[in-house]
Amino acid sequence: NAGVMQNPRHLVRRRGQEARLRCSPMKGHSHVYWYRQLPEEGLKFMVYLQKENIIDESGMPKERFSAEFPKEGPSILRIQQVVRGDSAAYFCASSPLPTGDEQYFGPGTRLTVT
Amino acid sequence: DQQVKQNSPSLSVQEGRISILNCDYTNSMFDYFLWYKKYPAEGPTFLISISSIKDKNEDGRFTVFLNKSAKHLSLHIVPSQPGDSAVYFCAASGGGSGTYKYIFGTGTRLKVLA
Repeated sequence: NAGVMQNPRHLVRRRGQEARLRCSPMKGHSHVYWYRQLPEEGLKFMVYLQKENIIDESGMPKERFSAEFPKEGPSILRIQQVVRGDSAAYFCASSPLPTGDEQYFGPGTRLTVT
Repeated sequence: DQQVKQNSPSLSVQEGRISILNCDYTNSMFDYFLWYKKYPAEGPTFLISISSIKDKNEDGRFTVFLNKSAKHLSLHIVPSQPGDSAVYFCAASGGGSGTYKYIFGTGTRLKVLA
């Protein structure tokens, strides 16, 4: 049973470009969570999605950030017009339970904005 | 506002001895606590959890203790092994913010010396 997969593992973008981060949950998991880890900080919750639905996006910055989890395919975290402050590690987790009691994390995508 | 705090950024322990990692929280409504281990370039891996109705949970070499009155939890690793060297994050959930929304501490880097 493959774990949570994220790609790319490393992404370099210039200021103003768009970044697309992909997450494929574990088989049978329909709950996906995105977290961001800034340097020297803990992981911070961004958004919780189920298939085709955003359940909680209270941790998402109000502008430039969006997330989706379509019926088919991976979950996508999209950052438009990236700025240097977006440089961070972005982790995706998936869970079989709506309570999120068992969250399995992917290896993360390290975004560097130059 | 850091609701989950790990005040020791690093800890070194001799192989075979006990490692004690500490975590404090401020929100008395948190009702579920977890420890994750993270190796470089990998995602966090679930280690052990505890519900607020318990004060201790044990799994092999790992034991988590919860002191609700002090809003403090600790992870004991006995005996410590070199493979335990990693960054350890404590996380909490509940408190009206959703059981799926993990609030992470900033991590403690454990180094087990052979």
